[in-house]
Amino acid sequence: EAGVAQSPRYKIIEKRQSVAFWCNPISGHATLYWYQQILGQGPKLLIQFQNNGVVDDSQLPKDRFSAERLKGVDSTLKIQPAKLEDSAVYLCASSLARGENEKLFFGSGTQLSVL
Amino acid sequence: DAKTTQPNSMESNEEEPVHLPCNHSTISGTDYIHWYRQLPSQGPEYVIHGLTSNVNNRMASLAIAEDRKSSTLILHRATLRDAAVYYCILMGSGTYKYIFGTGTRLKVLA
Repeated sequence: EAGVAQSPRYKIIEKRQSVAFWCNPISGHATLYWYQQILGQGPKLLIQFQNNGVVDDSQLPKDRFSAERLKGVDSTLKIQPAKLEDSAVYLCASSLARGENEKLFFGSGTQLSVL
Repeated sequence: DAKTTQPNSMESNEEEPVHLPCNHSTISGTDYIHWYRQLPSQGPEYVIHGLTSNVNNRMASLAIAEDRKSSTLILHRATLRDAAVYYCILMGSGTYKYIFGTGTRLKVLA
């Protein structure tokens, strides 16, 4: 079974530029999450989708971050404009459904460096 | 969101058992206890989860205290490949949010 796919693996940009990350979850997984992981910290939840609808984006800095999940499958996370403090690994995860008994499956992440 | 407390780091010798503790004194009756681990340069991966009873799988065992205010992840024979950051997470019904703390960095000595 294919895992969660993310691209690109690495991205280097200058501050104030824009950047986009792509995620393809495991086939059939209804729930998709984006996490931000700053070096030395645990992953921080940014946004959660159930199919193509947002169920939680309370931690997403909406003035610069946006995310969508068209057709309830692939998802993109965008930052515009980027700041130095956005340097982090952006992780995508998916689960079969929403529930306290569900397992999360993570991709390898996109490492973003903002110079 | 209910919080968990874990030691920042632990060390273990290869081939020996490892007990990774987690305190969650504010756990509610319907919160599941999940454990994930993150190997270097990878996303976190599922290890084990449970509600009240102790759980075993091919990777580890989860021992849950009777009052559910703490739990312990047990790796029966640590290998070098088990060196990772281990996260203890409470998953509550209704929120379905995995909130990661800073975890325990496990170092395995050859």
